[in-house]
Amino acid sequence: DAKTTQPPSMDCAEGRAANLPCNHSTISGNEYVYWYRQIHSQGPQYIIHGLKNNETNEMASLIITEDRKSSTLILPHATLRDTAVYYCIGINAGNNRKLIWGLGTSLAVNP
Amino acid sequence: NAGVTQTPKFRILKIGQSMTLQCTQDMNHNYMYWYRQDPGMGLKLIYYSVGAGITDKGEVPNGYNVSRSTTEDFPLRLELAAPSQTSVYFCASSHDRSSGANVLTFGAGSRLTVL
Repeated sequence: DAKTTQPPSMDCAEGRAANLPCNHSTISGNEYVYWYRQIHSQGPQYIIHGLKNNETNEMASLIITEDRKSSTLILPHATLRDTAVYYCIGINAGNNRKLIWGLGTSLAVNP
Repeated sequence: NAGVTQTPKFRILKIGQSMTLQCTQDMNHNYMYWYRQDPGMGLKLIYYSVGAGITDKGEVPNGYNVSRSTTEDFPLRLELAAPSQTSVYFCASSHDRSSGANVLTFGAGSRLTVL
């Protein structure tokens, strides 16, 4: 499964868009890119996933480059409650037991 | 729909004591997992189960045991608690799909301290 690289921390002003990058240059053709977040010490929460097309749901948008080597999670109007650690993970469908959780990006949304 | 429920939320153990962390899910997921998360670190898989009666080791299984007698329940047992097992433990579940979304649903966590 693909190794992913994320910046350790980012800041964002409340109300502005938060753009969280992820590099997954070794991703294979059948691996999905998943994003989860962990608020304080709670259990991780699923945000969004994609294979090669851009995706949007009620929480966020996911932009995947055409070569699939990187992606960006976009929180369009960040709020203080979006302060969390965000994890980008590359995984074969159905293979959650091989998920490798890195350190993610710690996003601080500032008032 | 409660999702994934873990008990207890907090526990302090003495070295050498035993205990069981309980996990139950009401989503009829066939896959269940136990993770531990040390301070400032990512999650590490302890054990997982692909269905009732089937369990397998993850990345850090030593010092733990699991069982899966029903689809809903996946308890994690610590037999001889050691300070190295001080951590936050998360239970999770998911469907098993060969394609498409295979989203993990997590419990709220159990914070264990071994003194």
